[in-house]
Amino acid sequence: AQSVAQPEDQVNVAEGNPLTVKCTYSVSGNPYLFWYVQYPNRGLQFLLKYITGDNLVKGSYGFEAEFNKSQTSFHLKKPSALVSDSALYFCAVRDHYYKLSFGAGTTVTVRA
Amino acid sequence: SAVISQKPSRDICQRGTSLTIQCQVDSQVTMMFWYRQQPGQSLTLIATANQGSEATYESGFVIDKFPISRPNLTFSTLTVSNMSPEDSSIYLCSVEGGGAANEKLFFGSGTQLSVL
Repeated sequence: AQSVAQPEDQVNVAEGNPLTVKCTYSVSGNPYLFWYVQYPNRGLQFLLKYITGDNLVKGSYGFEAEFNKSQTSFHLKKPSALVSDSALYFCAVRDHYYKLSFGAGTTVTVRA
Repeated sequence: SAVISQKPSRDICQRGTSLTIQCQVDSQVTMMFWYRQQPGQSLTLIATANQGSEATYESGFVIDKFPISRPNLTFSTLTVSNMSPEDSSIYLCSVEGGGAANEKLFFGSGTQLSVL
């Protein structure tokens, strides 16, 4: 069975500082990894994905994620956080039938 | 990318009643998915709906409680039957992206359901 873990319920950073949201995964075979963001009262928005290729994946809104096979991690990063990045972030892994398994989510708060 | 319209956006329902949630996509898609997000929790897959076949339910979800229709390649409905307060959640439909957006899932804005 595939799964992802987000070890932090909350991440708090000051605006302008680097932001990292952690995710580790467990799959058999090659992982298909995703990050989604959920703003209040809105659905999920796709940020980025890793299927194959470069370990550093660039996505929407200045976010990037680094796939690390040896550590089975897929941490989300942003070099300089904005107040508008405050939201709920989900890491997910996809199986061959397009079914996503989501992590518990990490609430990011960026203070001005 | 796929644009998904989900209705209603929210509803408040009485215990014992049923609510049907609609999901309309602006393009033809093979697979549609229904997820539930309980308050303060992550998303859990309810079922996969393919056109022309019965929906496939995940463990813990049954057709009698969550009947699904998929009459064509752009539309699906999820019914939450005989509701109880425990069914209060956000329900989201999702579709696979096609073409350049393949291998990516898009989500509707969700239906926030409160059961009294």
